[in-house]
Amino acid sequence: QSALTQPASVSGSPGQSITISCTGTSSDVGSYNLVSWYQHHPGKAPKLMIYEGSKRPSRISNRFSGSKSGNTASLTLSGLQAEDEADYYCCSYASSGTLVFGGGTKVTVL
Amino acid sequence: EVQLLESGGGLVQPGGSLRLSCAASEFTFSSYAMSWVRQAPGKGLEWVSGISGSGGSTYYADSVKGRFTISRDNSKNTLYLQVNSLRVEDTAVYFCAGVPGRLHWGNGMDVWGQGTTVTVSS
Repeated sequence: QSALTQPASVSGSPGQSITISCTGTSSDVGSYNLVSWYQHHPGKAPKLMIYEGSKRPSRISNRFSGSKSGNTASLTLSGLQAEDEADYYCCSYASSGTLVFGGGTKVTVL
Repeated sequence: EVQLLESGGGLVQPGGSLRLSCAASEFTFSSYAMSWVRQAPGKGLEWVSGISGSGGSTYYADSVKGRFTISRDNSKNTLYLQVNSLRVEDTAVYFCAGVPGRLHWGNGMDVWGQGTTVTVSS
């Protein structure tokens, strides 16, 4: 199972919006509504930001939103803040009965 | 506070074995599907293995199939990962993570531990 494809880095200024893409195949992202997104600050536990493609856990700010079109899922961060600087990973269930992560995207707040 | 605490990591020679543990507290452990996820130095997250809430179904990444075994003891609120035939490329921080039982096991993991480090080196 190959990793999902994410851009290595994305940056934006405070207050701006950025979008991280996550491209898979018809065997994973394209076939299941089981894409999740995680925020990871190095040295800490990853944090669930989005599940089932677009649902937000209650504790997560509505500045974070998810969507999917075909084989590509996306995470949008609106009103970018300094605390949003972290690594972000997408993850999808796959037809092989496994989970596959993306390679990760480093978000930098300029 | 909902908590997962991993232990059992360490330095081991290639070909060696370890048993990783993940102790859960302050939530109904048996209702959560659980997974192990690892992060090698300088690399991204990699899903390793998963198990249903009852323990009756298990799942493995191709990279560890036949070498790693996931299990759980719901009476002890503990998840395990037996790692055998270790390779240098298994060196990583190993996290345990859980999915609420109302969701598909492959859905968003909303409970995570801090990780335990496994180093495979001669």
